Amino acid sequence: ETGVTQTPRHLVMGMTNKKSLKCEQHLGHNAMYWYKQSAKKPLELMFVYSLEERVENNSVPSRFSPECPNSSHLFLHLHTLQPEDSALYLCASSQTTGIHEQYFGPGTRLTVT
Amino acid sequence: AQSVTQLGSHVSVSEGALVLLRCNYSSSVPPYLFWYVQYPNQGLQLLLKYTSAATLVKGINGFEAEFKKSETSFHLTKPSAHMSDAAEYFCAVSESGGSNYKLTFGKGTLLTVNP
Repeated sequence: ETGVTQTPRHLVMGMTNKKSLKCEQHLGHNAMYWYKQSAKKPLELMFVYSLEERVENNSVPSRFSPECPNSSHLFLHLHTLQPEDSALYLCASSQTTGIHEQYFGPGTRLTVT
Repeated sequence: AQSVTQLGSHVSVSEGALVLLRCNYSSSVPPYLFWYVQYPNQGLQLLLKYTSAATLVKGINGFEAEFKKSETSFHLTKPSAHMSDAAEYFCAVSESGGSNYKLTFGKGTLLTVNP
């Protein structure tokens, strides 16, 4: 595997379900990010991790819970989501948080029913 | 605070024609500027970036962009469009100091290339 991978690529869940999104980067980077991409809206930064420590929580509802067990893996745990949470969730990584160039994964298309 | 405005949510060109995608930014400090491309069902791929060196930046796939401080613009161009250029393009800005990992994105411009 190369670059940034995300699984699953598509996910349909009910509002009472609990699910997790997984991201893995194979670039040796130390910073990882979660973004939300909704139709007709700019990308929204959700969380930032640097060396497994969360450095940014951009006013995201608690029904989204990130986890970064090591610098290569990032998870987004989901529970009791709302239909408006349906979106494309993108993971990205960069060498450090001081480096601006971010590398993105293909995203997980989430539909909440 | 920084912001990005992409003029035109949808641009349509003929194959072989000039591509011009517009981006204006605002930033309280010298900015770093980026263009990303997103093909269907894929993540964002970096096309090019401006980080205070040369004002004319060349990227991949024949694209280039020019930083114009007086106009607060960073428009993306390509002399001759290819069918494979059809995608959505995002302009982004980050600050050159402080929380410089924060990329602020525009809403995107969908480029259609007609045969």
